[in-house]
This record gives sequence, structure tokens and C-alpha cells, in this order.
Amino acid sequence: AQSVTQLGSHVSVSEGALVLLRCNYSSSVPPYLFWYVQYPNQGLQLLLKYTSAATLVKGINGFEAEFKKSETSFHLTKPSAHMSDAAEYFCAVSVGGSQGNLIFGKGTKLSVKP
Amino acid sequence: KAGVTQTPRYLIKTRGQQVTLSCSPISGHRSVSWYQQTPGQGLQFLFEYFSETQRNKGNFPGRFSGRQFSNSRSEMNVSTLELGDSALYLCASSLDAGSSYEQYFGPGTRLTVT
Repeated sequence: AQSVTQLGSHVSVSEGALVLLRCNYSSSVPPYLFWYVQYPNQGLQLLLKYTSAATLVKGINGFEAEFKKSETSFHLTKPSAHMSDAAEYFCAVSVGGSQGNLIFGKGTKLSVKP
Repeated sequence: KAGVTQTPRYLIKTRGQQVTLSCSPISGHRSVSWYQQTPGQGLQFLFEYFSETQRNKGNFPGRFSGRQFSNSRSEMNVSTLELGDSALYLCASSLDAGSSYEQYFGPGTRLTVT
């Protein structure tokens, strides 16, 4: 069965510092992996998606994630944090095949200090 | 292109009542999924619809039901509301059914059961 673990429910960085949000997955099939961001009182916005075409995936707002099969990880990074990056981030894995439903991690709340 | 829209955005109901939430997917998208988000359980999959057929269902009681219309719009219904049903209900649409298709989320309907 597929599952997602996000290490750290809360991460705090200074503005301009590296952002690293960790995600490990478990999947019995080659996974499709996603990162979403949620701002307060809003829905989820897709940041990026891994579909096996390339291990390093670039997304919106300067974020990128690297798929590492040997580590079953899909960590999200951004070289320089901006105040507007403060939000909650969710890693998700797709169930697989013809079933499109996503299994989400518990989320990581990112705080950015000035 | 307009995004996923959900109505109403906020709803307050009393225990025992029933509620219907509506979702209009992105134009051209044929698959609609529903998720429940709570602080305790996080994001959990409810069901997925494609071409007016429920393709997949999460682990929720039968009080939760849904349907999809020929124009891909979807509704979900919760009968005999319980306090624990208070949550943000998110609808997501994708171009087609299947794990490779990214899902785009609406802003959600915040349901409060008193």
C-alpha cells in the first residue's frame, strides 16, 4: 500500500535561507509524486509533479524536488526563502494505475522569519 | 481558464441535518475527486468520479455519497451530520482518470456542524 511520511510538522527558516522539506514515500508500484502548497483558508495549489521523466523536477515559485528511488525520497527545496513562501506544504503519492486518488502526508508548516 | 469552483464556501449545520456541496471542475476536465481535511486526520480521500461513474471510494461511512453529472459537475452529500464531520471539503479535478494526471483543487467548502 502507498503511504507518505513528511518529517517535521513545522519548519522555520530565515528569509533568504535554503528551504528543505522532507518527504519519504512507500509504493508498491512506480510512483507518481506531487507537492502541493496550501495558504490559509485556501485550497491546495500544485507546485510540481514527478512522473519518471526526470529525477529533478522544477516547479513553480522557484521550488524543485529530487526523486531518489534508493532512498524512497522526494524532498522539496528552494535555494532562497521568501516571506511569501510561508504556508503549509503537502507531499502526495498517487495510488497508481487507473485510480487517481492521492495519499497525502500530514503536511509541513513553513514559517519564514524576516 | 477558470479554476475549480466550489459552493458554498462556508456552511453551518446542526447535528442530524444533511448537506449538499457542489463542485464545478476546470473546463474540459472529466474526473472529479473529493477530499476531507481535518486537523486530526489530515487530508483523506472520499471518492472519485469519472464520466458520471464512481470509480473509487475511500474509507468513509455510507452517510457520505456523491454523484457526477453529464457536464462533469459533481455534488457530494452528507446525511445525518455528526460533529466529527466538521471539516474543509476539497474538490479536485483532473483531465482524465488515472494516477498520472495531476489534480487541481478548489478553494474548499468549510463545513461546521454544531
